Amino acid sequence: DAKTTQPTSMDCAEGRAANLPCNHSTISGNEYVYWYRQIHSQGPQYIIHGLKNNETNEMASLIITEDRKSSTLILPHATLRDTAVYYCIVRVASWANNLFFGTGTRLTVIP
Amino acid sequence: GAVVSQHPSRVICKSGTSVKIECRSLDFQATTMFWYRQFPKKSLMLMATSNEGSKATYEQGVEKDKFLINHASLTLSTLTVTSAHPEDSSFYICSVWSGESEQFFGPGTRLTVL
Repeated sequence: DAKTTQPTSMDCAEGRAANLPCNHSTISGNEYVYWYRQIHSQGPQYIIHGLKNNETNEMASLIITEDRKSSTLILPHATLRDTAVYYCIVRVASWANNLFFGTGTRLTVIP
Repeated sequence: GAVVSQHPSRVICKSGTSVKIECRSLDFQATTMFWYRQFPKKSLMLMATSNEGSKATYEQGVEKDKFLINHASLTLSTLTVTSAHPEDSSFYICSVWSGESEQFFGPGTRLTVL
C-alpha cells in the first residue's frame, strides 16, 4: 500500500522553482520521507530524505510540515533535464527494508 | 553514493529461452540487493529481496522457480528469467542499500521476449 498521495502530473517553466507536494498523513514517528526520481528508461535516482527537519542538498530542498503529514520537494531552478517522474516514499530507515513506489508525479519542465 | 551496474542494458530473446541479468555493486559490499520490475507506464514493483549466501525472499505472486536469483558474492546478484514468455517483457531494475539509509538503483535492463 502506498502511504503517500501525490498529484499525477505538474508542469514547470524552465528556470523557475518546481514545488512538488506529497501527503503522508499516516506517517509513523520512525518513518522518514524519501524522494526519488526516474527519468525515462533509467533506474530511479535518489534525491533527498528527511525525518522532521528541513533538508537541503545539491539537488533539492525538502520541506516537511511540523505535523509531518505532508512535505514539499523543491527544485530551485528547474532545467529540462529535471523532467521525470518524482516519487515520494515513507519508510523506516533500515537497510533491510525495500522502497514501495506509488504512482509518483510526472514533472514536465517546459522551455 | 553507491554505484550499481546492470548487464545487459537491453536483451531480446525468443519465447522459451532463459535470460540472465547481472547486478553489480561496484563500490559497496551489499549483503542485500533488491530486484524490481516495471511495466510500461507503471510504477516499480518489488519482485524479491536477494540475500548474500542464502535464499532470496520473493514477493507474493512472483514465481521463485521462474525468476531465479543468485547472490553469490557481496558485489553480484543475478536474476535469471527462465522459459521467458512475451508477458515477461519488462524493465528489470536492481538496487542496493548504501548502509547509510540511502538506496541506489542500477540503470535497468529492458527485456523483450518475442
